[in-house]
Order: sequence, then C-alpha cells, then structure tokens
Amino acid sequence: QVQLKESGPVLVQASETLSLTCTVSGFSLTNYGVIWVRQPPGKGLEWMGIIWRNGNTDYNSALKSRLSINRDTSKSQVFLKMNSLQTDDTAIYYCTRGNINYGGYYFDYWGQGVMVTVSS
Amino acid sequence: DIQMTQTPSSMPASLGERVTISCRASQGISNYLNWYQQKPDGTIKPLIYYTSNLQSGVPSRFSGSGSGTDYSLTISSLEPEDFAMYYCQQYDSSPLTFGSGTKLEIK
Repeated sequence: QVQLKESGPVLVQASETLSLTCTVSGFSLTNYGVIWVRQPPGKGLEWMGIIWRNGNTDYNSALKSRLSINRDTSKSQVFLKMNSLQTDDTAIYYCTRGNINYGGYYFDYWGQGVMVTVSS
Repeated sequence: DIQMTQTPSSMPASLGERVTISCRASQGISNYLNWYQQKPDGTIKPLIYYTSNLQSGVPSRFSGSGSGTDYSLTISSLEPEDFAMYYCQQYDSSPLTFGSGTKLEIK
C-alpha cells in the first residue's frame, strides 16, 4: 500500500540547515510528484514545494531562496533542505503525494509528519 | 499569491446536523479547489478534489460545490468522526495555497 514517512532531526539551531527525508513505498517517484507542506503549531497548512515525477521542482516563492527539494528514485526518497532557519520555521513538516484525477490535482496520501523545533 | 479565505474559523455543531463551510479565493480559480480533513492527531486526508469530486472511500455525506471565487463543503448529517479541522486548497496557480481552516466542534 502507499505510504510516506518523514524523518530527520527534531531540534535544529537557528541559522542552521534543516534536512528532512521522505521515504515512500507503494509507488514510484517517476510516476508521482511529492510535495512538502508544513504547519506551525496551532496554525494552518503552508505549501512549500514539489518535485514532479520528471524531477523538476517548484517552490513557494516565499521560501525559494532557502529551499531545495531533491530525490533518489532508486531509494524511493525525497529530500528537503532549508537553510538559514529561524524560530518561525518551527512546524510539523509533512510530505504528501500528488495525484492527478479527472481534472483534479490533489494530495492523496500523507505522511504522519515530523515536528521540527528551531531553537534560538 | 491567491489568498483563500475560509469561514467560519470555528463552528459548534450537533450530531446529525447539516453544516456548510465556505472558502473564497481572492481571484477566480476555475474550480481548481480541494478539501482536506485533519484530525487532532495530525492525520490529514483528502475529501473532495476539483470542487465536487469525492475521494475514494469518503462517505457520501460529504459534498462540494462552487465556481469562480466561491466554494463550499457540506456535510449532510454529522457523525462523531467528522469533528475535526477542514482546509480548502487551490491549485490554480503556484503557490498552492490553503485556507486558514475551520474547526468543527461538538456543540
């Protein structure tokens, strides 16, 4: 079955770089895009960026200068790196699969999320 | 960026009640609108895609409608498991923005 699982450090120092991994199973990264979404404590969801099935990427312009998303298709892993972290980057980070169906593009499977705290 | 204004931010409701959550985009989004449910443990699942299409496995008491800038999610008869957060999300243009969420609470 389709699964996504985020992993990475739960505590990062301000000004440092966050590195997260999304390990997927049940589908191929060459057939589906993977998206990163984050949620600060008590707040809503923010789309961060996507790596499409062809390997191209798109980023939220608000994060573009700090963010990169890559993948290793042989390991079924997608990587997020974001530098110059600040305390307001504290959030739950989710990876999710993008699916296309009948004119719709939506996120059909989600990881459980990983809570990342940025300490000053 | 397209802003998504979701109302209300919270909604007390009773079991069996019919409820509607609204989502307004800052510009037309051509029906490119999805709805998601988030449970208190953080689990997120899709409910509706492309305005009105029910995701597989989602009960038929959920429905979506709308056009242009105005969209809505309706739950025809609330069940205990429906008390959760709900988010709309547009995919007309990047960044793919979400609404601020509606918390459906037990009255």
